[in-house]
Amino acid sequence: GAVVSQHPSWVICKSGTSVKIECRSLDFQATTMFWYRQFPKQSLMLMATSNEGSKATYEQGVEKDKFLINHASLTLSTLTVTSAHPEDSSFYICSASSRQLGGNQPQHFGDGTRLSIL
Amino acid sequence: GENVEQHPSTLSVQEGDSAVIKCTYSDSASNYFPWYKQELGKRPQLIIDIRSNVGEKKDQRIAVTLNKTAKHFSLHITETQPEDSAVYFCAATSYNTDKLIFGTGTRLQVFP
Repeated sequence: GAVVSQHPSWVICKSGTSVKIECRSLDFQATTMFWYRQFPKQSLMLMATSNEGSKATYEQGVEKDKFLINHASLTLSTLTVTSAHPEDSSFYICSASSRQLGGNQPQHFGDGTRLSIL
Repeated sequence: GENVEQHPSTLSVQEGDSAVIKCTYSDSASNYFPWYKQELGKRPQLIIDIRSNVGEKKDQRIAVTLNKTAKHFSLHITETQPEDSAVYFCAATSYNTDKLIFGTGTRLQVFP
C-alpha cells in the first residue's frame, strides 16, 4: 500500500520551456502533498506544501510564480516549472501523506523527476 | 523552526558489522521521527519510524532509539549487508505541522 506515482521520470527541454510534473497517490487519499528539490549528494529541500483544495504554502526563498503548484484532488498534485532555465535543473520529488488516520503519518515518496534544462 | 543535524556524513563498515547513525533535533514539540533510505537516483523509502511516546523500536536488523530529554535519535543497523549501502536520512516533525525537516544524510558503504 501507500504508492505514489510521479511522472515524467526524466525531462530534457530547452530554456524558456514550462514543464509540468504530476504526482498521484494511487491507493490512498493524500490530504497533503509535498514537493522537494534535491541537488546531487545533498538532502531533500522542501519547496512547498499543498493541501487539497487550497493554495500551496511555499518555503522561504521559493518563488511561487516560478513553481506553480496545484492540488486539485485528494489523489493528484502538479508542479509546473515556468519558463525553466538551466539553474532549475535538478531532481524534483513529491511525497504524499494522509491525516485521515490521525496524527503524523509517514510521507510516501514518488520516484522523482530529473529535470535538465539546456 | 526545527533544525535536524545528522552524523556522520559518511560511514564505511565491513559486512556483518553494525552501523549507527545519529541525529539531533532542536524543536521540543517534534514528536515523529522517520528514517529514509535512498539509493542512487531512486526515491527515499521509509525504513522505520518512531513516535515520541516510545523510546525504542525494532524491525529485524533495524532499530531506532529516541532520547527526548537530549533530543537525540539514532538508527542502528546490525549484521550489515552490501545491499544496505545507500544514503540514509533522518527527519523530524511535530503534530502541529506535516512538514518533515530532514537531516543532511549519511552515506553508508558496506564492504563485502
